[in-house]
Amino acid sequence: DVKVTQSSRYLVKRTGEKVFLECVQDMDHENMFWYRQDPGLGLRLIYFSYDVKMKEKGDIPEGYSVSREKKERFSLILESASTNQTSMYLCASTEPGRSSPLHFGNGTRLTVT
Amino acid sequence: RKEVEQDPGPFNVPEGATVAFNCTYSNSASQSFFWYRQDCRKEPKLLMSVYSSGNEDGRFTAQLNRASQYISLLIRDSKLSDSATYLCVVRGDSNYQLIWGAGTKLIIKP
Repeated sequence: DVKVTQSSRYLVKRTGEKVFLECVQDMDHENMFWYRQDPGLGLRLIYFSYDVKMKEKGDIPEGYSVSREKKERFSLILESASTNQTSMYLCASTEPGRSSPLHFGNGTRLTVT
Repeated sequence: RKEVEQDPGPFNVPEGATVAFNCTYSNSASQSFFWYRQDCRKEPKLLMSVYSSGNEDGRFTAQLNRASQYISLLIRDSKLSDSATYLCVVRGDSNYQLIWGAGTKLIIKP
């Protein structure tokens, strides 16, 4: 079974803090994704990566950056956390190929106060 | 029009009943389709892929209608544990272009 692990289940940070969300997958997947999920808005893609050191902006990259130094690890960085970044953050990975589904980590619920 | 649309529900269904819901998509070039299940405050989990010829997994049946651009999910003999939000996701031309529906909430009542 694919295992995608997010470092924290719940996180509380203050406005202006730099926040790191870590994600590790154990299946040697090339593609990794960061989403946020908010009630009524569904899943929105922040960034994705298709290889080490490669990254692409998703639909809502503003206020975020990412790092992929190793294939198994994809980090999401909130440069200066704001209250509107309070959300559920979901990391996912997938093999290349259009029939490959996403496998999600168990999510990080971030609250910015 | 949203790229992927689902009826948000909730669908309130008695235990043992059959329930079906659809997901419409706007991009006729969409390549692959999936149904995910998401429990409250948990991550989405893959329920099933949707194949062109339709596919079944136990009590669950998924269908694709390319002409009308929708996929469907049918749940037979519903169980209390089927209560969840069901998300559809549609993959476009690129491997990275995944468009998510906002989900349909299903509540199974005893």
